[in-house]
Amino acid sequence: NAGVTQTPKFRVLKTGQSMTLLCAQDMNHEYMYWYRQDPGMGLRLIHYSVGEGTTAKGEVPDGYNVSRLKKQNFLLGLESAAPSQTSVYFCASRPLAGANYEQYFGPGTRLTVT
Amino acid sequence: KQEVTQIPAALSVPEGENLVLNCSFTDSAIYNLQWFRQDPGKGLTSLLLIQSSQREQTSGRLNASLDKSSGRSTLYIAASQPGDSATYLCAVPSSGGSYIPTFGRGTSLIVHP
Repeated sequence: NAGVTQTPKFRVLKTGQSMTLLCAQDMNHEYMYWYRQDPGMGLRLIHYSVGEGTTAKGEVPDGYNVSRLKKQNFLLGLESAAPSQTSVYFCASRPLAGANYEQYFGPGTRLTVT
Repeated sequence: KQEVTQIPAALSVPEGENLVLNCSFTDSAIYNLQWFRQDPGKGLTSLLLIQSSQREQTSGRLNASLDKSSGRSTLYIAASQPGDSATYLCAVPSSGGSYIPTFGRGTSLIVHP
């Protein structure tokens, strides 16, 4: 079990460029999440998915799009990167709603937009 | 809207001390509460999950308690070691609907030899 993996680990973009971050999980989890983590701001939810083919907005969705075409993959897209999107991005997954399931995190992608 | 506060924000202690980290939340209608550890430059690692029907969970030197009625959880670390140095976060999902946890900003812990 690789758990939750993220690709790439690091990336530098110029303002206006686009990119896609890939999250993959091999645990057959229903829920998947994208967060960003910034100093002094904590973890903030960007988008999430409750199952294959579904997506929903989180707390800070502007400037990002997501897709969940396959259950094991959750893609985060930046169409036109801005310096304000410089951050560390984390993907997470969870089996189902319910009290006894844990949330699992990937190792993160460090993105710098210049 | 659920709000989660962690106190203290930072803690520096000598090795061997017993520690208490605090997490408080505003909405007591919760599924569970999860404690995580984050090492610098790394992702979050789950430490303990307490279901809403439980009062505490233990794993090795870690013990987490949950008091839903008062909106509080504590993480107790016994006999701290330098390897415990990390940021500790708690996450609380409000019950009902999708599982969307709210995270505290964490307690940054340094244990010095």
